[in-house]
Amino acid sequence: DIVMTQSPDSLAVSLGERATINCKSSQSVLYSSNNKNYLAWYQQKPGQPPKLLIYWASTRESGVPDRFSGSGSGTDFTLTISSLQAEDVAVYYCQQYYSTPLFTFGPGTKVDIK
Amino acid sequence: EVQLVESGGGLVQPGGSLRLSCAASGFTFSSYEMNWVRQAPGKGLEWVSYISSSGSTIYYADSVKGRFTISRDNAKNSLYLQMNSLRAEDTAVYYCARDLRGDGYIGSGYWGQGTLVTVSS
Repeated sequence: DIVMTQSPDSLAVSLGERATINCKSSQSVLYSSNNKNYLAWYQQKPGQPPKLLIYWASTRESGVPDRFSGSGSGTDFTLTISSLQAEDVAVYYCQQYYSTPLFTFGPGTKVDIK
Repeated sequence: EVQLVESGGGLVQPGGSLRLSCAASGFTFSSYEMNWVRQAPGKGLEWVSYISSSGSTIYYADSVKGRFTISRDNAKNSLYLQMNSLRAEDTAVYYCARDLRGDGYIGSGYWGQGTLVTVSS
């Protein structure tokens, strides 16, 4: 099984500042035949289901603000919120779908306002 | 508009059974693979089970294999999860989820609001 880890567990960032979340997979999720990383990011606010933000490691889902960006390849990935807004307070999860349909999520990173 | 509405959750004793349903609308249900994902109180997301669009291919997480059964009725636009031999650690909100596009999984773009299953005596 591919195990996903995230760091930090939580972070507090001032409004307008940058938030960076890291995600690491236990094996590469880069599929060599199409050069795509099978990695997604989700945002979950309290009492709500997760919302898909990014897929293919760096492609924003339609309607997601451009302050959210994803980067990385192979086993190491990053979600960056360039200018934190109050509505971005949430838990963020990475997910690998390389081994789909047996996909796995990271443990989550909680983002708060400092 | 895509809608997924789960139902069937509730309080059940350890060893008991429960059947969850997910009613789908706003898309051609029979064309999409579906998944159940759960979230224990205050914890992260855990994939539970997958079913192909036709129902012919099914997978389970090791934690539920042999106890849970996923199924679908494409004529009724419905997804199900039969849960037997329930344990305290099965306590969670259960979500049904659909992939974003339907032409190869790239992420679960649509989720229901979830239904809470509590296993306790």
